[in-house]
Order: sequence, then C-alpha cells, then structure tokens
Amino acid sequence: QVQLQESGPGLVKPSQTLSLTCTVSGGSMKSGNFYWTWIRQNPGKGLEWIGYIHWSGETHYNPSLKSRVMISLDTSASQISLNLRSVTAADTAVYFCARDGGSVAPNAFDIWGQGTMVTVSS
Amino acid sequence: DIQMTQSPSSLSASVGDRVTITCQASQDITNYLNWYQHKPGKAPKLLIHDVSNLEAGVPSRFSGGGSGTLFTLTINSLQPEDIATYYCQQYDNILPLTFGGGTKLEIK
Repeated sequence: QVQLQESGPGLVKPSQTLSLTCTVSGGSMKSGNFYWTWIRQNPGKGLEWIGYIHWSGETHYNPSLKSRVMISLDTSASQISLNLRSVTAADTAVYFCARDGGSVAPNAFDIWGQGTMVTVSS
Repeated sequence: DIQMTQSPSSLSASVGDRVTITCQASQDITNYLNWYQHKPGKAPKLLIHDVSNLEAGVPSRFSGGGSGTLFTLTINSLQPEDIATYYCQQYDNILPLTFGGGTKLEIK
C-alpha cells in the first residue's frame, strides 16, 4: 500500500525559499497514470491546490502561485519536492502531499501524507 | 477560477439525523466533483469521487448527488465518528483545481 510522508523545515524566514520533500513508500512512482500533488491549508482556512506532477515530468500549477512554485520528482529516490520562492506570512500553512486516483479516479486525491506545518516568520 | 461555495459553513446535528451539505459551482463542472472528510490533525480522506462513487471502505450512510453546478453530500443516520469538516473539490478542465470553503459538522 502506497504511503506518503512529508518532511522539511518547520520555520522559514520571509523572502526565502520553502523546500519540502514527500517520500513515497510501498509502491513505484512510475506505475499507473498518477499525479503527485501538493495541497496546503492555511491556519483556520480551507484547502488550496498548489500543483501536481506526473511521473513523465508533466507539471501543472495553480496560477496564483505559478510564478513562485516548482514541483519536481526524483523517481530513483521515490521523492516529490516542492519549492516555493519568496515566501511571506501568507504561505504559513500545513502542506500535504497527495496522489490522485489515476485512471480510475483522476484528480481525486485518495492517498495523502499526514502533512507538515510550515511557519514563515523572522 | 471556478469558485466552489459550500453551505452551510457549519452544522450541528444529533446522532441518527440525516445531514445534507450543498456545494455550488460558479459554472458547469458536469460531474467532476469529489468530497473529502477532514478531521483535525489528520490527512483529508476521500469519501466520494465523480459525484456519487463511494470509495472503498466508506460507510454506505454517505452518498453524493447532483450535476452541473449543484451537488450534495448526504449522511444518513449521523454517527459520532462523522464529526469533521467536509470539503467538495472540482476538477473541471479549467485549472486550478479548487475546493469549497468547508462545512464543519458538530454533534448536538
């Protein structure tokens, strides 16, 4: 069974780059037609889709973040990375990685990591 | 962006009640609508994909319906473990994918 685990610094200074990693275990990133996704939840707010990547390298980003975000994957290490540049306090959130349901349930996120809290503060 | 408006934003109901949450899209999204359950400190859980397809292991008291711009999530016979915040999510061809604002469900 595929499992996801986010990791990275819990505190980032304003204007710096937020970098997170999601490690995939229990399955291959290359099998199936899956999109590997980052979603965040600002404190007290709802869920916001950041973007996703297919194992082929195809990426799609939320236009509101597109100028600052990059998602990449390392299939040999079974990891998906998120880089968000020039962060502000508005980027303080719990960051989740997730996987969609592939051909059976495209764009329905059926596997999630536990999430990691990132605070932007000096 | 396609805006997803959920109502109510919070709801208090008794064990055994039937509960309905509504999600309205700002434009026609056909049947590209999913529902999630989110408990504090946990990962969101996919309940239903494509309007009405129940995920494996999700109790049959959960059901989804609707089409076009108006969708519902119904919980028949509310149980204490159903206390959570529920989100709808659309994935029409127009990015970004967007979520509703959430409905916080509490027990009376």
